[in-house]
Amino acid sequence: DAKTTQPTSMDCAEGRAANLPCNHSTISGNEYVYWYRQIHSQGPQYIIHGLKNNETNEMASLIITEDRKSSTLILPHATLRDTAVYYCIVTNTDKLIFGTGTRLQVFP
Amino acid sequence: SAVISQKPSRDICQRGTSLTIQCQVDSQVTMMFWYRQQPGQSLTLIATANQGSEATYESGFVIDKFPISRPNLTFSTLTVSNMSPEDSSIYLCSVVFSGQGTDTQYFGPGTRLTVL
Repeated sequence: DAKTTQPTSMDCAEGRAANLPCNHSTISGNEYVYWYRQIHSQGPQYIIHGLKNNETNEMASLIITEDRKSSTLILPHATLRDTAVYYCIVTNTDKLIFGTGTRLQVFP
Repeated sequence: SAVISQKPSRDICQRGTSLTIQCQVDSQVTMMFWYRQQPGQSLTLIATANQGSEATYESGFVIDKFPISRPNLTFSTLTVSNMSPEDSSIYLCSVVFSGQGTDTQYFGPGTRLTVL
């Protein structure tokens, strides 16, 4: 599986968009980009995934660059409940390899 | 939406003992996995629980220490054997649901284990 690089931490004001970047420069053609988040030692929560097209669901949007070497998870209107560790994972198998993720702190 | 439950939610155990953790899903799944999250760390895959056959373990994990059963499509157990304080972790199961067309994994709430 390709390795991902994420910032260790980010802050975001409540109500503003949170843009979480992920670098995956060694991604291969059949690897998907998955995003999960973990709120204070609960089980990780699936957010969204994509292959090469941008994706949107009720939780977030995923923007993947044309060369697929990086992506951005967008939470359009962050709330205090979005404070969590966000994991970007690339995989073409059923195995998930978690990195250290980005700790997002949403402040009032 | 489907529910993934784990029992117990937490436990405190003495070293040298064993604990069996259960993962139950209320709908059929194709794949089940077990992960460990040590304090302050990210998740690490322990093994894939295969229905009706031996689990597939990742490097660094062995059956004698972490025996796994999966008797049917909706249930699996992980046993942490001969525990030491280094086994203090959150143990999580994850599943891939049948018929969803993707390999997206969904996680249970976890079991927080403390070994004294």
